[in-house]
Amino acid sequence: AQSVTQPDIHITVSEGASLELRCNYSYGATPYLFWYVQSPGQGLQLLLKYFSGDTLVQGIKGFEAEFKRSQSSFNLRKPSVHWSDAAEYFCAVGGGSYIPTFGRGTSLIVHP
Amino acid sequence: ETGVTQTPRHLVMGMTNKKSLKCEQHLGHNAMYWYKQSAKKPLELMFVYSLEERVENNSVPSRFSPECPNSSHLFLHLHTLQPEDSALYLCASSQEGRGDEKLFFGSGTQLSVL
Repeated sequence: AQSVTQPDIHITVSEGASLELRCNYSYGATPYLFWYVQSPGQGLQLLLKYFSGDTLVQGIKGFEAEFKRSQSSFNLRKPSVHWSDAAEYFCAVGGGSYIPTFGRGTSLIVHP
Repeated sequence: ETGVTQTPRHLVMGMTNKKSLKCEQHLGHNAMYWYKQSAKKPLELMFVYSLEERVENNSVPSRFSPECPNSSHLFLHLHTLQPEDSALYLCASSQEGRGDEKLFFGSGTQLSVL
């Protein structure tokens, strides 16, 4: 069975600082990996996805993520965080006919 | 605006009430989903419809009853709910219901069961 672990429930960063949100997955074959963001009172919006090819994936809003098969990880990064990035971030893993499984989410708090 | 609209945005109901949640997608997708989002828990997939047929039901209690009359509309009928059913219920759609597809989410219905 596929699963996703987001080990950090909360992350606090200062505006302008760099960010890395961790995601580890378990999947028996080549995974399809996603990062979604949820702003308060809203549904989830896709930031980026990895299917194959280049292991460094660029997404919207200046985010990127790197797939590391050896570590079963797909960490999300941003070089300089803006106050508007404060939100809940979800990692998900899927594949072929399997509906994506989501992690518990990481809440990002941005200090001015 | 994601193209997926959910109504109502908020719902408060008693344990003996019957209510329905509505979801409508304007994206031409063939698959629609209901997710339950509780505080500090992973998103729980409840139901998946692909081409208007239910393809997955993750052991959801019978007090939740989905209905998909066409590929653009999805309902979740609620009856005799429990307080632990209070949560944000999210609807999503995708092109064909495969695991490699992007999901488009609505803003959700925040449900409180008293």
